[in-house]
Amino acid sequence: RKEVEQDPGPFNVPEGATVAFNCTYSNSASQSFFWYRQDCRKEPKLLMSVYSSGNEDGRFTAQLNRASQYISLLIRDSKLSDSATYLCVVETGSARQLTFGSGTQLTVLP
Amino acid sequence: EAGVAQSPRYKIIEKRQSVAFWCNPISGHATLYWYQQILGQGPKLLIQFQNNGVVDDSQLPKDRFSAERLKGVDSTLKIQPAKLEDSAVYLCASSLELLSGLPYEQYFGPGTRLTVT
Repeated sequence: RKEVEQDPGPFNVPEGATVAFNCTYSNSASQSFFWYRQDCRKEPKLLMSVYSSGNEDGRFTAQLNRASQYISLLIRDSKLSDSATYLCVVETGSARQLTFGSGTQLTVLP
Repeated sequence: EAGVAQSPRYKIIEKRQSVAFWCNPISGHATLYWYQQILGQGPKLLIQFQNNGVVDDSQLPKDRFSAERLKGVDSTLKIQPAKLEDSAVYLCASSLELLSGLPYEQYFGPGTRLTVT
């Protein structure tokens, strides 16, 4: 079983749609959780951290369920500029290493 | 603020040749990471430095890969000899010193795209 699993997609949605991505992780001792965004042929960049209470940043909402070892990202009112690959990231280990999922590809269509 | 710098941006070599990548992290960042990202996959951590010491190299193929961080600043990653399966983007990242219990952000460089033929 992979440490971090994501649906690879692709997700093709129209502008203005709401889209949700899910992610599961295998290590129950994982400490912190993140979503990174990676544009085509670019480096990953932090989108948001994920907290147990759930957190929101504009059109983006992230949720964590530690009992189910499940993380989600919701994007409301999708924009063309949201087209990218979204990487689910889990922090584990004494050195606080990050383990990345394979990413979910999103294309927002005009 | 200057970001993480990497060079070269692209490299094409034949199998069994050697190659080296260079990374200059963001000034003041104590922790430096090298990742390998194969097409269609997420980045995989190869090695993590804290200042000039290695804190994790468990996924580094040590028979062919080596890395060093001179004086706790710049770092080089070397592959010798290269195999076809080493074709990937090699990403360098850096972060501030990790404080216990607090989430932290890794800042990535643009990567080096390696093609082994």
